[in-house]
Amino acid sequence: AQSVTQLGSHVSVSEGALVLLRCNYSSSVPPYLFWYVQYPNQGLQLLLKYTTGATLVKGINGFEAEFKKSETSFHLTKPSAHMSDAAEYFCAVSEANSGYSTLTFGKGTMLLVSP
Amino acid sequence: DTAVSQTPKYLVTQMGNDKSIKCEQNLGHDTMYWYKQDSKKFLKIMFSYNNKELIINETVPNRFSPKSPDKAHLNLHINSLELGDSAVYFCASSQEARERETQYFGPGTRLLVL
Repeated sequence: AQSVTQLGSHVSVSEGALVLLRCNYSSSVPPYLFWYVQYPNQGLQLLLKYTTGATLVKGINGFEAEFKKSETSFHLTKPSAHMSDAAEYFCAVSEANSGYSTLTFGKGTMLLVSP
Repeated sequence: DTAVSQTPKYLVTQMGNDKSIKCEQNLGHDTMYWYKQDSKKFLKIMFSYNNKELIINETVPNRFSPKSPDKAHLNLHINSLELGDSAVYFCASSQEARERETQYFGPGTRLLVL
């Protein structure tokens, strides 16, 4: 069975500082990994995803994530935070060869950005 | 142009009532989903349909019944609403049902059962 752990329910950074949101996964087969962002009272929007190939994945709004199989991690980073980045971020895993797209989400990390 | 839309956006109702939530996608996708997000923001899949056929049915009370009249629509009917059904319900769609597919989410329906 697949699972996702996001360390830290809240992360606070100053505007311009590095953003690092942690995600570790558990999967018995090669995983497909996703980061979604949810702004207040809105649906989820895909930031980036890893399927195969290059382990450093670039997404929208300057975010990127690196798949590290040895660490079972897929941490999300952004070099310089903007106020508009304040939102809830969800890491999700979908197992290859399961036959269907069954996303398992982490519990989310709220990113707070202060001036 | 809204890719995945849901109606209503807010739903306040009494315990014991029956209610429906509608979802439509204009992306031409084959697969649609219903998720429940609880008060702690935890998201869990409830159902998935591929080409109008039910393919995923998680452990959900049978008071919840999805219906897909065509590939572009997936509705959720809930009978005998309970307090614990209060949550945000998200509809999503993907091109296919394969594991690597990106799911596109609607704006959510906020259900409050009193």
